[in-house]
Amino acid sequence: TQLLEQSPQFLSIQEGENLTVYCNSSSVFSSLQWYRQEPGEGPVLLVTVVTGGEVKKLKRLTFQFGDARKDSSLHITAAQPGDTGLYLCAGVTTDSWGKLQFGAGTQVVVTP
Amino acid sequence: DTAVSQTPKYLVTQMGNDKSIKCEQNLGHDTMYWYKQDSKKFLKIMFSYNNKELIINETVPNRFSPKSPDKAHLNLHINSLELGDSAVYFCASSPGRGTHNEQFFGPGTRLTVL
Repeated sequence: TQLLEQSPQFLSIQEGENLTVYCNSSSVFSSLQWYRQEPGEGPVLLVTVVTGGEVKKLKRLTFQFGDARKDSSLHITAAQPGDTGLYLCAGVTTDSWGKLQFGAGTQVVVTP
Repeated sequence: DTAVSQTPKYLVTQMGNDKSIKCEQNLGHDTMYWYKQDSKKFLKIMFSYNNKELIINETVPNRFSPKSPDKAHLNLHINSLELGDSAVYFCASSPGRGTHNEQFFGPGTRLTVL
């Protein structure tokens, strides 16, 4: 059983459409991170959210941390082919070393 | 400049062999990690070292042995390789305790055991 559930597992959309990826857990996290991974490369950090209810924007990407710090969402506006990749959420546990627990990922494909 | 580097990028070997993967980071971070990403893209932590000290040791077969000669290097040695060890192995580093443990990943090593 994974600590973080991501949905959907796979998303295929046309350029210009919007999409939302969800990351849910029954556990509370001290912070939550989103990464994007492209084929043949390691994941790259996009954002860290820390405060319940926090919203962060990175160009066309909007990240939200749930009020209870158990869930998060990533919304992409007017998706472009360059947004194609595997999106991973990862929560930092509250133990002393802040171990990172990853979700299974959402594969996003944006076609021209 | 490469922040986190791993060698080799690809590793193809026979069952039963012993192999090593090397990792180096030039970010000045205190903490380094090894992750395994399976065929379904699930990323699972294996080990973590903080300033050469082992701090996280997940349920990993003892055929896997990490070694950290200094805080900029974390190597992974695997004995008696099995088919199920085939995966992509990522090294990562982070600033360490007291931060949000944001990870900086290497490019990965794709291990194929035949």
